[in-house]
Amino acid sequence: KAGVTQTPRYLIKTRGQQVTLSCSPISGHRSVSWYQQTPGQGLQFLFEYFSETQRNKGNFPGRFSGRQFSNSRSEMNVSTLELGDSALYLCASSYDRTDTQYFGPGTRLTVL
Amino acid sequence: DQQVKQNSPSLSVQEGRISILNCDYTNSMFDYFLWYKKYPAEGPTFLISISSIKDKNEDGRFTVFLNKSAKHLSLHIVPSQPGDSAVYFCAASASGNQFYFGTGTSLTVIP
Repeated sequence: KAGVTQTPRYLIKTRGQQVTLSCSPISGHRSVSWYQQTPGQGLQFLFEYFSETQRNKGNFPGRFSGRQFSNSRSEMNVSTLELGDSALYLCASSYDRTDTQYFGPGTRLTVL
Repeated sequence: DQQVKQNSPSLSVQEGRISILNCDYTNSMFDYFLWYKKYPAEGPTFLISISSIKDKNEDGRFTVFLNKSAKHLSLHIVPSQPGDSAVYFCAASASGNQFYFGTGTSLTVIP
């Protein structure tokens, strides 16, 4: 069974731009969660989608948004990029929220 | 507010010895705990989990201990191998809600 895939793997943007990251979950998984990883901060929860609905949201500004499609694929959008948004963005999928999450390799975003 | 804490950023252990990674949490409602291992340029990989109804779970060389009264979780790796060198994250959730992750401990196993 294929794992979680994330595209692109690396991205370089400048301040003020917007970016869209994509995540394809493991087949059959309906829950997709997004995390931001920065040095010294661990994994910070962004949001979780289940059956195209956002079920939970972390403590991030409204510039961070996401959506999930009917095939469970998910996208995350960050508008008006700031230098502090430079991070590794990880997507994780599971059958449901209570199940073990399986992570993709992440998208490394660099904001210049 | 960091609800899950890993106070040791790094740990070095000799090959063959025991590695003990620690994790503390503040939310007494947490009832499900996991450990993940992360290599550079890869996403975290699930290692082992434990629910709050147990105090120990074992899987091969990996054992997780849960002390609910102390709100403390630990991962024991015995014997440690060089391939275990990675960053280890603990995570916790309450009643199926979002997972809270620690900041990670970088384990180096010295051959």
